[in-house]
Amino acid sequence: QKEVEQNSGPLSVPEGAIASLNCTYSDRGSQSFFWYRQYSGKSPELIMFIYSNGDKEDGRFTAQLNKASQYVSLLIRDSQPSDSATYLCAVRNNAGNMLTFGGGTRLMVKP
Amino acid sequence: SAVISQKPSRDICQRGTSLTIQCQVDSQVTMMFWYRQQPGQSLTLIATANQGSEATYESGFVIDKFPISRPNLTFSTLTVSNMSPEDSSIYLCSVEVTGIRFFGSGTQLSVL
Repeated sequence: QKEVEQNSGPLSVPEGAIASLNCTYSDRGSQSFFWYRQYSGKSPELIMFIYSNGDKEDGRFTAQLNKASQYVSLLIRDSQPSDSATYLCAVRNNAGNMLTFGGGTRLMVKP
Repeated sequence: SAVISQKPSRDICQRGTSLTIQCQVDSQVTMMFWYRQQPGQSLTLIATANQGSEATYESGFVIDKFPISRPNLTFSTLTVSNMSPEDSSIYLCSVEVTGIRFFGSGTQLSVL
């Protein structure tokens, strides 16, 4: 079992819809969680991070963390074609010395 | 955040040659990280470079193949040695600031 798992997609949503991206992790003691966006041919850029259970909102983006169920989600409201990219989930371990990336989910937002 | 300059941005190299990738950060950082991203794949950590000590390599990566220098707190280089077509990837430099990892623009390497 991979330590950080994401559905590779592609996840296709119509413009204006909510895109929901999910990530599960195996290390129950993980402390911090990150979402990166990576456009084709570009490097990853940080969208959000979350440390505590619950929701964290930033503009059209909401990160949701459920430590009991060991999953973290990213919701993108009012999806735009410019949101089409691969979204990488990253999880920091309990000791804080290792950051593990998931395989990424490719999101396609269709006009 | 951090501004990370990486060069070259891309290169096409012949089998058996070596390429050195440079990474410059706009602030002093303790650790710098080198990643590889093969086509269609996620990020794989190659090694962690601390200033003044040998780099720490992840399983599957060795110093002879990927020598790293870290001469000061703002600069590092990664060399891909004796290249083969399997080394064709994107190589990314990364630093961590207040617990958040930031990435350089990457080096797209193609080996013929």
